[in-house]
Amino acid sequence: AQSVTQLGSHVSVSEGALVLLRCNYSSSVPPYLFWYVQYPNQGLQLLLKYTTGATLVKGINGFEAEFKKSETSFHLTKPSAHMSDAAEYFCAVSVNSGNTPLVFGKGTRLSVIA
Amino acid sequence: DVKVTQSSRYLVKRTGEKVFLECVQDMDHENMFWYRQDPGLGLRLIYFSYDVKMKEKGDIPEGYSVSREKKERFSLILESASTNQTSMYLCASSFPGLTTEAFFGQGTRLTVV
Repeated sequence: AQSVTQLGSHVSVSEGALVLLRCNYSSSVPPYLFWYVQYPNQGLQLLLKYTTGATLVKGINGFEAEFKKSETSFHLTKPSAHMSDAAEYFCAVSVNSGNTPLVFGKGTRLSVIA
Repeated sequence: DVKVTQSSRYLVKRTGEKVFLECVQDMDHENMFWYRQDPGLGLRLIYFSYDVKMKEKGDIPEGYSVSREKKERFSLILESASTNQTSMYLCASSFPGLTTEAFFGQGTRLTVV
């Protein structure tokens, strides 16, 4: 069964520093992978997704993620953190068929320190 | 702009009450989902529906039921609310397909006292 593991439930960075949020997947077939962001007291919003083609995917708000099949990873990065990036981030994988739900990781809370 | 609307942002209910959480989407999506979100546990799927009147159990269906009488509306029902159902509830919808993303509502924070 497909699953995702997010390493680190809480990550803290200084403003202007690199953001790296880790996601590893487990899948017996080529996965489709997603990153979502949740700002306080909000629903989830899609940041980016990997389907096929280019392995480096660019998303909104300056975030990007790279699909690495050899490492079964889909880590999320941003070169320079901004205070407004403080939120919870979820990695998700699409499984089995088009009618089954995304499987989410447990989330990583990002804090940005001034 | 695409929209998933949950009827309440905050709810306070008493133990034993029957609770209805409503979700409406305006994107003509076939799939709709109810998740529960708790600190440290991430999102857990309660129920989902891929068509009108169709429903499938998710990972934690106990104590919940759902109703989908119209394509755009998906209701979550707590038959007899308990304090351990205090949580954030998130509704989402999507088109069918492995590469299609889900769109989420703002969430309903339910407190059962």
